[in-house]
Amino acid sequence: EPEVTQTPSHQVTQMGQEVILRCVPISNHLYFYWYRQILGQKVEFLVSFYNNEISEKSEIFDDQFSVERPDGSNFTLKIRSTKLEDSAMYFCASSWTSGGYNEQFFGPGTRLTVL
Amino acid sequence: GENVEQHPSTLSVQEGDSAVIKCTYSDSASNYFPWYKQELGKGPQLIIDIRSNVGEKKDQRIAVTLNKTAKHFSLHITETQPEDSAVYFCAASKSASKIIFGSGTRLSIRP
Repeated sequence: EPEVTQTPSHQVTQMGQEVILRCVPISNHLYFYWYRQILGQKVEFLVSFYNNEISEKSEIFDDQFSVERPDGSNFTLKIRSTKLEDSAMYFCASSWTSGGYNEQFFGPGTRLTVL
Repeated sequence: GENVEQHPSTLSVQEGDSAVIKCTYSDSASNYFPWYKQELGKGPQLIIDIRSNVGEKKDQRIAVTLNKTAKHFSLHITETQPEDSAVYFCAASKSASKIIFGSGTRLSIRP
């Protein structure tokens, strides 16, 4: 069964450093998303991406964040200068189409720890 | 703004009994309501969903109901088993848009 994959599973970085989180969405999906989950809290939307551009973003997704689909398979989230409060699980998700219904499939997540 | 409220935050039931989790949503344009199960250290896994044109859906021991008028939806798990222990999230979405998650329910099944 096709699935969303993410690398690395765990990333430790120093405050102020840049990190890139990588995702490989399900191959025939057209919509891509990033969410984050601070420990013990709900899953929060960051950004959605369609047709090589951002279609929607949350207040969390400020100028320190960017997304890219550099080739036909990868979808990345970059944080330019990490802060302590960026420590969280980051989940990538993808969906086939809106089609009126937005069934999204989530990857296993990357745990980001900022020291 | 868009919001999904979920209750209870924790739920403990005896193995074999039923568990019910309830959610409300604020955006009347929402038309898709997935439920996710999250086990420790893993991503949310879709277990069942319901669309706005349906009032009820069942899949083996799991059922979901939707009341669009009241903006309520709920998850029912019958004959609970130890492997049902996890955090469950309700969520709401509208066409081609983000999923808004509830705050989660930690379900524990007592042997």
